[in-house]
Amino acid sequence: GESVGLHLPTLSVQEGDNSIINCAYSNSASDYFIWYKQESGKGPQFIIDIRSNMDKRQGQRVTVLLNKTVKHLSLQIAATQPGDSAVYFCADIFLGGSQGNLIFGKGTKLSVKP
Amino acid sequence: DSGVTQTPKHLITATGQRVTLRCSPRSGDLSVYWYQQSLDQGLQFLIQYYNGEERAKGNILERFSAQQFPDLHSELNLSSLELGDSALYFCASSLGQGMAKNIQYFGAGTRLSVL
Repeated sequence: GESVGLHLPTLSVQEGDNSIINCAYSNSASDYFIWYKQESGKGPQFIIDIRSNMDKRQGQRVTVLLNKTVKHLSLQIAATQPGDSAVYFCADIFLGGSQGNLIFGKGTKLSVKP
Repeated sequence: DSGVTQTPKHLITATGQRVTLRCSPRSGDLSVYWYQQSLDQGLQFLIQYYNGEERAKGNILERFSAQQFPDLHSELNLSSLELGDSALYFCASSLGQGMAKNIQYFGAGTRLSVL
């Protein structure tokens, strides 16, 4: 069945270093991918999105890379800060399906050491 | 602040009871989604409404139901509650269908504890 998963459940990085969070998806027909950040006690917050016809998109301190050949998505955070500590979810959507809804992975917990 | 409002923030109840969770979407958003998040689990999609009509169903139990009202707010009803229903319940909203319109904005959630 369709699934979106994460390679690592936890990631610990030093403040100031770059972070890379990986995600694998199974539906090769997915049209759209989104990264969300969920801080403790809060709802998921939209970070960045990318369409399936792109392979890279940059935001403020974040970059998402899409490799459709191996069905892999990554989120790169530059100069990681303590405020980046959170659980990061990737999600994909297939707009041609009857649902067109986001399918979320289980999440990667990012811990930033000062 | 995402603009999505969920009430109540916390809910403690007993097994067998029925509760109602409420969600007000962002102004202008037509779609409302409900998710369940259990401890150490990801977000499980429950159900989606678009402009008052059910659009998609996910892993929603028969004991659970939802609706979206003409003013676009939504309610999730959970009945015959079991211990395993204890979780965070999130509501999200989006403009509607299509690429960027599917970016979902989440509320802060309702934490349900069934004792």
